[in-house]
Amino acid sequence: EVQLVQSGAEVKKAGESLKISCKGSGYSFASYWIGWVRQMPGKGLEWMGIFFPADSDTRYSPSFQGQVTISVDKSNSTAYLQWSSLQASDTAMYYCVCLGGTIDYWGQGTLVTVSS
Amino acid sequence: QSALTQPASVSGSPGQSITISCTGTSSDVGSYNLVSWYQHHPGKAPKLMIYEVTKRPSGVSNRFSGSKSGNTASLTISGLQAEDEADYYCCSYAPNSTFRVFGGGTKLTVL
Repeated sequence: EVQLVQSGAEVKKAGESLKISCKGSGYSFASYWIGWVRQMPGKGLEWMGIFFPADSDTRYSPSFQGQVTISVDKSNSTAYLQWSSLQASDTAMYYCVCLGGTIDYWGQGTLVTVSS
Repeated sequence: QSALTQPASVSGSPGQSITISCTGTSSDVGSYNLVSWYQHHPGKAPKLMIYEVTKRPSGVSNRFSGSKSGNTASLTISGLQAEDEADYYCCSYAPNSTFRVFGGGTKLTVL
């Protein structure tokens, strides 16, 4: 069974850095794209970017290019989403998603709250 | 890549049927039979209801069905139940940077 387990909720101050994680199991982690989706309070789902563990190909949606960093530790089957300097507008729920071809698999979400 | 277009809200009474549309372009919805529909309750992970336009994952009620015509995909829920009240998102494969594009979401209210 494919499972994606994300790290717990975070409460941070503006200007701080943050790295959240998503551990995959039940499939060949390196063989599938893994991505991150943002949902701001009261808003819809937005694709942030994706990463292919086998060759480290990384692609960002234009709105998120330069704002976040997606990385992967293949040895630990874990994907990461990182901010160097959080802003209040980064307050959102973040989901990791494994792009399984015809079916995508989702993590449970990580709530990030940033106070100004 | 622009988001797919969904109505902001739909509503129906218990027992009725509703349809949610999802309009894309010839570059995404119109070219690939890779449209999925998700049911989303805030704070929880989206739940896959339909994939590959018409297929239902195991465990999803057959009251949920999907279809596509041209650049528009649709989700139909028949025999509406109170538990169906949620946000619904369509998602299509798209040959863009992230391979996926979402609709803006539709809030379903069961009256």
